[in-house]
Formats: sequence, C-alpha cells, structure tokens
Amino acid sequence: GESVGLHLPTLSVQEGDNSIINCAYSNSASDYFIWYKQESGKGPQFIIDIRSNMDKRQGQRVTVLLNKTVKHLSLQIAATQPGDSAVYFCAENIANSKLTFGKGITLSVRP
Amino acid sequence: EPEVTQTPSHQVTQMGQEVILRCVPISNHLYFYWYRQILGQKVEFLVSFYNNEISEKSEIFDDQFSVERPDGSNFTLKIRSTKLEDSAMYFCASSAAGYEQYFGPGTRLTVT
Repeated sequence: GESVGLHLPTLSVQEGDNSIINCAYSNSASDYFIWYKQESGKGPQFIIDIRSNMDKRQGQRVTVLLNKTVKHLSLQIAATQPGDSAVYFCAENIANSKLTFGKGITLSVRP
Repeated sequence: EPEVTQTPSHQVTQMGQEVILRCVPISNHLYFYWYRQILGQKVEFLVSFYNNEISEKSEIFDDQFSVERPDGSNFTLKIRSTKLEDSAMYFCASSAAGYEQYFGPGTRLTVT
C-alpha cells in the first residue's frame, strides 16, 4: 500500500550545525505535508507545513523542501540546538482528510 | 496560545472494561481527530469527525470504538471492551479547516 517513510532511523549532529531530515512519500495524490516534532511523553508538535503547489517554505530556523518529481520531503534545521533533540515525523494529507505519518527519526544533538 | 487538552494523562484499566478518553479541542476548530501511537511506533489515524459525524475511520476503529461530541467543547473516544493490544498513547487533534492539525498531549492507556 501507499505510505510515508523516513530514510534514516537516527541522526546525530553537533550543536550549531545544520540538520537535514529526509522523508519519502509514495502517494502522488497527497497535497499537503507537515513536519511534526515529538518530545518524550508529549504529543506531536506542529513545526512547519507545505502545500503541493510549493517547493520550499521557510520558518524560524526551519525550512521544508518538497520535490514532487521524486516524492521527497526534507526538513532543514539551521544552527541545531540541544532543544531540537526529539523524534521528527513527516505526515501527508490528501484533500482535507486524515494525516498519514512516517515512522519517525530521532535527532540527537551533541553538545 | 490556545491548545488541545486531554484527560486523563494516564488511564489504567483491566481487560474487558470500558474507557472514555476526553479531549477539549481548540475552541474555534471544526475538525476533530483521534490518533494512537503504540510505544516506539508511528502515529496511526483512528477517526475524524466533522459536523457532528464521523467523516473517516481506519480499520483499527472497529465497533468497539466510538466517538462523541456531547457538548460544544468536549470530544470523547470510548472503547467499549478494552483489549491488551489497545494499550497505547491516544492523541486528540483538532483543525480549523482540515489541514493544519494540532495535537494534544495524549492519554497513556494501559490495559492489564
């Protein structure tokens, strides 16, 4: 079946470096994508979203890139901080319906 | 900043018992959802609710599950007869227009 998946289970980065978290999706009908951050024992926290008619969107220290040709989504975090350590999920949405989540990747920031 | 709230934070129940998980969505939101996350796994969709009816449900959401919006603020998930495999974190989410979904802190359900 169609699914959203993440390439790497863990990512370790040095504090201050930039982080790039990647996600592949397989449903070409998806028209909206979200990145969520989940800290231990908490619910998913909205980070940034992007619609399928865009290929890049920037927030505060974060950028999401969407490549519809290869069905790839990435989250870039600039100047990674210890507080960025968490599990990151990409999620896709089709026409205002449910979110389908990827498996999650753990970002670990080394001091 | 408005947020989704959920109660209780942790619910322990015996197999076969009924549980009700409660959520207060963000006040001007119109779309409501329940998701669950088994420990160490990804978040899974259960059900969406709009205009006082279920708009979509997954195969997980069988006839043991039900949702209700009993008043203008609460949104509940009921599991009629809990099974061991229902143990998970249950997240409520709400959305103003059906896209950007905001999640609550979750209820940890432990079935013994």
